[in-house]
Amino acid sequence: KAGVTQTPRYLIKTRGQQVTLSCSPISGHRSVSWYQQTPGQGLQFLFEYFSETQRNKGNFPGRFSGRQFSNSRSEMNVSTLELGDSALYLCASRLTSGSLSGANVLTFGAGSRLTVL
Amino acid sequence: AQSVTQLGSHVSVSEGALVLLRCNYSSSVPPYLFWYVQYPNQGLQLLLKYTSAATLVKGINGFEAEFKKSETSFHLTKPSAHMSDAAEYFCAVSRGSQGNLIFGKGTKLSVKP
Repeated sequence: KAGVTQTPRYLIKTRGQQVTLSCSPISGHRSVSWYQQTPGQGLQFLFEYFSETQRNKGNFPGRFSGRQFSNSRSEMNVSTLELGDSALYLCASRLTSGSLSGANVLTFGAGSRLTVL
Repeated sequence: AQSVTQLGSHVSVSEGALVLLRCNYSSSVPPYLFWYVQYPNQGLQLLLKYTSAATLVKGINGFEAEFKKSETSFHLTKPSAHMSDAAEYFCAVSRGSQGNLIFGKGTKLSVKP
């Protein structure tokens, strides 16, 4: 069974540009969550999508957005990039939304490392 | 509000020694607790989870953790460290029914030969 696939793995952008990251969940998983990992702030929740709807959102500015397609694949977009957006962006999928009980645990991809110059 | 505190950003042990990584949580409701491991240039891998069943939880790679409500702790242990255990370990608590994780700052484990 293939895991969570994130593309691209590495990318470099300059300030003011925008970026789109892609995530393909494990087959059968319908919920996709995104997290940002930085040395200073650690791992922080961005948002979760289920059935093409945003179900939950963390405390990030509106420059961070996402969407989910009918096949459960998800993309996140960051507009008007700032230096502080340099981070590892992790996608995680699980069976469904709601509590993390039973088999409904998060499985993470390898991440997309974004560097903003 | 829920939060997680991991004591010690770096822990160093000798190969074969006991591994103890500390995690304390704060939660207004019975928590779900998790330990994840991250190897360099990789994502997070689930080691084990506590979801209100047995308080002693066994995970992969010989790790286990004990949920102690009175101490609000969920420390991770392994009886004998292996060189391959060198990685960063994250404790996390889930936010009730919403399902997103609140992570601790992480503990980097080094294993000396």
